[in-house]
Amino acid sequence: DAKTTQPPSMDCAEGRAANLPCNHSTISGNEYVYWYRQIHSQGPQYIIHGLKNNETNEMASLIITEDRKSSTLILPHATLRDTAVYYCIVRAQMDSNYQLIWGAGTKLIIKP
Amino acid sequence: DTGVSQNPRHKITKRGQNVTFRCDPISEHNRLYWYRQTLGQGPEFLTYFQNEAQLEKSRLLSDRFSAERPKGSFSTLEIQRTEQGDSAMYLCASSLAAGSHEQYFGPGTRLTVT
Repeated sequence: DAKTTQPPSMDCAEGRAANLPCNHSTISGNEYVYWYRQIHSQGPQYIIHGLKNNETNEMASLIITEDRKSSTLILPHATLRDTAVYYCIVRAQMDSNYQLIWGAGTKLIIKP
Repeated sequence: DTGVSQNPRHKITKRGQNVTFRCDPISEHNRLYWYRQTLGQGPEFLTYFQNEAQLEKSRLLSDRFSAERPKGSFSTLEIQRTEQGDSAMYLCASSLAAGSHEQYFGPGTRLTVT
């Protein structure tokens, strides 16, 4: 079973910041938080990952709470092309098989 | 294009027929994964290879499913005696062997069993 909980859907206005929450209250000390997204009819795309510290790359920022029980993915200036299903996944880097266990994700709709 | 490629993109078959899908990973990637995704759900892990060795198989992978990666490069996923419940998107992903956080996904093969 997925170890994360996400809202099923969210809306955001184009040009505004999209903040996608994820709860992972049972996360272990060696588990990373990963975010992927899947645009309609495409394969999933990696966005960002983190362990304890906040992370930022060219696509997004990841804010992890101090107790690591939740995190927020931030798309700073959402565009229509950011409409997708966003998946939050937790996984230990040293898992024997490196498989990802996915939930149903959050369907993010960016509105003009 | 140096990304992960999958063929065919779409396959319609009749129940009881066998189908085979192909995945070509990114060339320097040692690990290759197969997932299945049904409508409205996230991908479900099926199996994974490190080079040519199949190291893990999900219990979702029934005896009708078989995957190979004979030379550690491309991989095939075969489904024998297809059933309507096999209708899904079949996704392939690849990653570097050591210390890689990112899996790179192909566009998927959509299977429809009629």
